[in-house]
Amino acid sequence: AQSVTQLDSQVPVFEEAPVELRCNYSSSVSVYLFWYVQYPNQGLQLLLKYLSGSTLVKGINGFEAEFNKSQTSFHLRKPSVHISDTAEYFCAVSEGAAGNKLTFGGGTRVLVKP
Amino acid sequence: DSGVTQTPKHLITATGQRVTLRCSPRSGDLSVYWYQQSLDQGLQFLIHYYNGEERAKGNILERFSAQQFPDLHSELNLSSLELGDSALYFCASSAYRGSTEAFFGQGTRLTVV
Repeated sequence: AQSVTQLDSQVPVFEEAPVELRCNYSSSVSVYLFWYVQYPNQGLQLLLKYLSGSTLVKGINGFEAEFNKSQTSFHLRKPSVHISDTAEYFCAVSEGAAGNKLTFGGGTRVLVKP
Repeated sequence: DSGVTQTPKHLITATGQRVTLRCSPRSGDLSVYWYQQSLDQGLQFLIHYYNGEERAKGNILERFSAQQFPDLHSELNLSSLELGDSALYFCASSAYRGSTEAFFGQGTRLTVV
């Protein structure tokens, strides 16, 4: 069975500083990887996804993530955060087909300070 | 706006009661997924319907059931509610089983008192 671990439950960061959110997964089959963002009192919005091809994936709002198969990781980065990036971020994986159910990590709460 | 509509947005009910949560997927989407987000369990997959048929089940309690109707909207029925069922319930939809992206609604916050 697949599982997803987000190593940091909370990440405080100053405005305009870089941020990295770590995600590791385990699966016995090919996986498709996603990062979602949840703003307060909102649903989940897709930031980016890795399906195949280039291991560096660029998403919305200046975020990018790198798929590392040997380390089973899919870390999310942004070179310079804004106050508006304050939110909870979820790493997710689906097995076998990208349209299959998602298994989520526990989430990382990012708090951007001025 | 993801195009996925969930009603109601908030629901407060007593233990032992039964509630129905409704989800209207994006126009034309055939797949509907239900997820539960709680403080202790995080985001968990409950059930997946595709074009009216159940396709996959996750950690869904026997007290919970779902269905997808011919117009593709879906309902999640929760019965004999317990305090621990208090959570945010999300619905997501995608165009077809092989689709690469699921679109999430804003959720229904259920509070059981």
